[in-house]
Amino acid sequence: TQLLEQSPQFLSIQEGENLTVYCNSSSVFSSLQWYRQEPGEGPVLLVTVVTGGEVKKLKRLTFQFGDARKDSSLHITAAQPGDTGLYLCAGWGDMRFGAGTRLTVKP
Amino acid sequence: ETGVTQSPTHLIKTRGQQVTLRCSSQSGHNTVSWYQQALGQGPQFIFQYYREEENGRGNFPPRFSGLQFPNYSSELNVNALELDDSALYLCASSLRTGQETQYFGPGTRLLVL
Repeated sequence: TQLLEQSPQFLSIQEGENLTVYCNSSSVFSSLQWYRQEPGEGPVLLVTVVTGGEVKKLKRLTFQFGDARKDSSLHITAAQPGDTGLYLCAGWGDMRFGAGTRLTVKP
Repeated sequence: ETGVTQSPTHLIKTRGQQVTLRCSSQSGHNTVSWYQQALGQGPQFIFQYYREEENGRGNFPPRFSGLQFPNYSSELNVNALELDDSALYLCASSLRTGQETQYFGPGTRLLVL
């Protein structure tokens, strides 16, 4: 069983601040995906990271896959209220999601 | 292009009852996966259907069953409902099995009393 642990569980910050959320596992993943889920909606895919050490950028969001492919991080620069939501990581292939980080960005 | 739709949006049942949830996949997709998301948790994989056949199953009891139809829409059936079955049920469609992008519907929120 490949368990994904996400931290922190909750994060509340002011608009303009930077933040990093983490996704960790004791197992190696062939790839990891990050999703954002807003209330009343299903998760929406943000990015898939495949190669150990890979860094992908999506506007103000930077995703990194650990060298050993066991962990990943999501860094948001200058957070905005529109970034509010539940951020989920998922190990692709075995359909397994972490419990998520619930981010609130206050104006 | 029509996205993934689910019905109903909300549902209230009592313990022991049976429920059927429906999902229409995105146009052109032939794979549907179902997930259960309890409050404060991430989605838990129930099963996947590919071309009308079950193509993988998570750790859910047999009272969770499904169907996929020739038009690739799908149903999730849950028998003998328990209080712990209260959750958001999500379906996701993709073009085929593998590492293709899944597109999620908005979910059906089920409350079991």
